[in-house]
Amino acid sequence: GAVVSQHPSRVICKSGTSVKIECRSLDFQATTMFWYRQFPKQSLMLMATSNEGSKATYEQGVEKDKFLINHASLTLSTLTVTSAHPEDSSFYICSAGQGTGNTIYFGEGSWLTVV
Amino acid sequence: AQTVTQSQPEMSVQEAETVTLSCTYDTSESDYYLFWYKQPPSRQMILVIRQEAYKQQNATENRFSVNFQKAAKSFSLKISDSQLGDAAMYFCAYSGGGADGLTFGKGTHLIIQP
Repeated sequence: GAVVSQHPSRVICKSGTSVKIECRSLDFQATTMFWYRQFPKQSLMLMATSNEGSKATYEQGVEKDKFLINHASLTLSTLTVTSAHPEDSSFYICSAGQGTGNTIYFGEGSWLTVV
Repeated sequence: AQTVTQSQPEMSVQEAETVTLSCTYDTSESDYYLFWYKQPPSRQMILVIRQEAYKQQNATENRFSVNFQKAAKSFSLKISDSQLGDAAMYFCAYSGGGADGLTFGKGTHLIIQP
């Protein structure tokens, strides 16, 4: 079946640096991908919609200059957390949809720890 | 904006018994999709079941079935013959379809008692 892959699964970075997370659709083309954030013991919150070849659409309250999203190809979207702070530490997970039946696949998620 | 409400933070059931997880949602749309996802400690999101709002028939996947009440905006999940491997967080989610992301409820932690 369709697979969405995320990399890295875990990353630790220093405060003030930037870190990039990749989301790939392995066997289908995804014009739209989605990025979510999940704090411990909480639900998933949609951060932004990544659109291939155009700007991402951010949810209210999400800083677009801090969470840079690039969807340069039909199989790859990247989330870059810029000038990371400890409060950015979280679980980030992406998803991609296939077909008109709205079948959605999730990546494995990425744990970000900012120290 | 759409909202999804899961009123049960935690549920516990004996192995082999049946449990029902509740979910209500709010939307002004007539066409949409509803989902139940399972999230084990690995954090991988696993699709349990999916329902298209235009379909009156309740979706079923083996031991998992839903009770979809469109007028009441209710979408409960029934797990029959509960197994130890069913223990996880369960999230109810809504999507308007197409380019819409998912709106999740806060989740229900399901505990299976052996």
